[in-house]
Amino acid sequence: AQSVTQPDIHITVSEGASLELRCNYSYGATPYLFWYVQSPGQGLQLLLKYFSGDTLVQGIKGFEAEFKRSQSSFNLRKPSVHWSDAAEYFCAVGAGSQYGNKLVFGAGTILRVKS
Amino acid sequence: DVKVTQSSRYLVKRTGEKVFLECVQDMDHENMFWYRQDPGLGLRLIYFSYDVKMKEKGDIPEGYSVSREKKERFSLILESASTNQTSMYLCAAAGTGGFMNTEAFFGQGTRLTVV
Repeated sequence: AQSVTQPDIHITVSEGASLELRCNYSYGATPYLFWYVQSPGQGLQLLLKYFSGDTLVQGIKGFEAEFKRSQSSFNLRKPSVHWSDAAEYFCAVGAGSQYGNKLVFGAGTILRVKS
Repeated sequence: DVKVTQSSRYLVKRTGEKVFLECVQDMDHENMFWYRQDPGLGLRLIYFSYDVKMKEKGDIPEGYSVSREKKERFSLILESASTNQTSMYLCAAAGTGGFMNTEAFFGQGTRLTVV
């Protein structure tokens, strides 16, 4: 069965510093991979997704993620963090089921930004 | 600009009560989902619906049921609430192909406390 591991429960970075959030997945076939962000009191918002093709994916808000099949990883990066990026980030893997609904989430990483 | 609306942000219910969580979407999407969010566990799929009156169990359906009588509305029902159902509940809606082919929109969540 597919699974997602986000090794870091909390990460604190200084404003303006670079960011990398780690995600490892387990899935037998070519995965559909997603990163979502949840700001305090808000629902989840899609940052980016990977299905195939270029392994470096660009998303909204200046985020990018790189798919590395050999490492089963899909790490999220941002070159310069802003205070508004403080939120919880979820990595997810999808299985290509009939209804496209089998989305399995990691436990999440809480990002704190210090000024 | 509201797309997915959950009727309550906070609910407090007593053990044994029948609880209804309501979700309405204004995007005419076929697929709707109920997730449960717990710290350290991420989001877990309870039920989903791919059409009116159609439903499928997710990963943790025990103790829950759902109803979808109209396309825009998807209700989660706790038949007899228990304290271990205290959690954040998130509703989502997505078009044809679910999370894989369309962007899913999440509601703001309902934080349910069972006492």
